[in-house]
Amino acid sequence: QVQLVQSGAEVKRPGASVKVSCKVSGYIFSGYYMNWVRQVPGQGLEWMGWINPNSGDTNYAQKFQGGVTMTRDTSISTAYMELSRLTSGDTAVYYCAIADYSLDAFHFWGPGTMVTVSS
Amino acid sequence: EIVLTQSPGTLSFSPGERATLSCRASQSITSNYLAWYQQRPGQAPRLLIYAASGRAAGIPDRFSGSESGTDFTLTISRLEPEDFAVYYCHQYGSSPFTFGPGTKVDIK
Repeated sequence: QVQLVQSGAEVKRPGASVKVSCKVSGYIFSGYYMNWVRQVPGQGLEWMGWINPNSGDTNYAQKFQGGVTMTRDTSISTAYMELSRLTSGDTAVYYCAIADYSLDAFHFWGPGTMVTVSS
Repeated sequence: EIVLTQSPGTLSFSPGERATLSCRASQSITSNYLAWYQQRPGQAPRLLIYAASGRAAGIPDRFSGSESGTDFTLTISRLEPEDFAVYYCHQYGSSPFTFGPGTKVDIK
């Protein structure tokens, strides 16, 4: 069955960067789009962007352009989301979620990675 | 950017009741690419409905979705105890993808 395993919780200082990983199993990694969604504690969901693991093409939400980088390592079926210049407003749970196409619902989600930004 | 509105923020029901949740889009959504997710406390969202009315794999048939123009509805025919959660609508027809603010379904 499809499984997405995310890296563990992180605590970062303002201005630092964080890199969250999402390792997948149970399906062909390069055959689906990997989306990243964040959720500030007690609030709603916010889409950050996607990466096509096959081509490496990315599509970032304008809000995150210049601050987020999505990459992948197909040899280990793992996608990464790096967020730079962190502020307290980036404190959130970060989810990876897969879609069959660039325009598709998110069929499977990772368990989430809590990132806390605090001085 | 397509803005999704879900109101009210909270709905209260008794188990066994029928629940109807609404989601309104600020403009037409390409191909009715509108999904519904359920999120229980401490868990990741779970896909229930895609393309407005398609039921995702493994989702009980008490969950159904419909659309009328820019108005979308999620119906839970008979609420089970595990259905008390937060429900989000999500449009993926045009970038940036957006989510509604969510509707919490709690126990009356």
